[in-house]
Amino acid sequence: AQSVSQHNHHVILSEAASLELGCNYSYGGTVNLFWYVQYPGQHLQLLLKYFSGDPLVKGIKGFEAEFIKSKFSFNLRKPSVQWSDTAEYFCAVLSGSARQLTFGSGTQLTVLP
Amino acid sequence: DGGITQSPKYLFRKEGQNVTLSCEQNLNHDAMYWYRQDPGQGLRLIYYSQIVNDFQKGDIAEGYSVSREKKESFPLTVTSAQKNPTAFYLCASSHNWGQQNTEAFFGQGTRLTVV
Repeated sequence: AQSVSQHNHHVILSEAASLELGCNYSYGGTVNLFWYVQYPGQHLQLLLKYFSGDPLVKGIKGFEAEFIKSKFSFNLRKPSVQWSDTAEYFCAVLSGSARQLTFGSGTQLTVLP
Repeated sequence: DGGITQSPKYLFRKEGQNVTLSCEQNLNHDAMYWYRQDPGQGLRLIYYSQIVNDFQKGDIAEGYSVSREKKESFPLTVTSAQKNPTAFYLCASSHNWGQQNTEAFFGQGTRLTVV
């Protein structure tokens, strides 16, 4: 069965620090990749997505992610975080064969003002 | 207003009772999903459906059942066989693989509490 790993469970940063959240998946075939964000008390929102083409994708609010096929990774980055980025972040993978959308366990990001 | 509607927002159930959570979408999506969200465990897939009258078990299907009689609707029944049903349940929908955009859209969730 496919799986998605997010190794950082809780990350605490000060404002203006750089962010990188790791995401690795186990499926070897064609995939679509996503990062979602869940702000406190709100529903899940799409941050960015990768389907094909340029492996470096840009999303909303200054976030970006890089797909490295050889490492089965799709890490999320932001050069300078803000207090408003405090939220839980989820990586997700849609596999081409199983058609199953699998999520990682999430990373809680806390940004200190 | 397009989107996914889950109801109710809060649900209380007595032990031993079955309960059905509603999920409706008007986005013309073929695929629909049910997830359970518990602190520290992310979103775990319960069931998913790619087309009407067909669905597949996810990673934690035991104690749950679904139906997909209409494209717009994907109700989830939490049965009395589910040992730990108290959780936050999320429904999502998306276009199927092979279409241009497969990102999932989520409902607001249903918080189920067994009393």
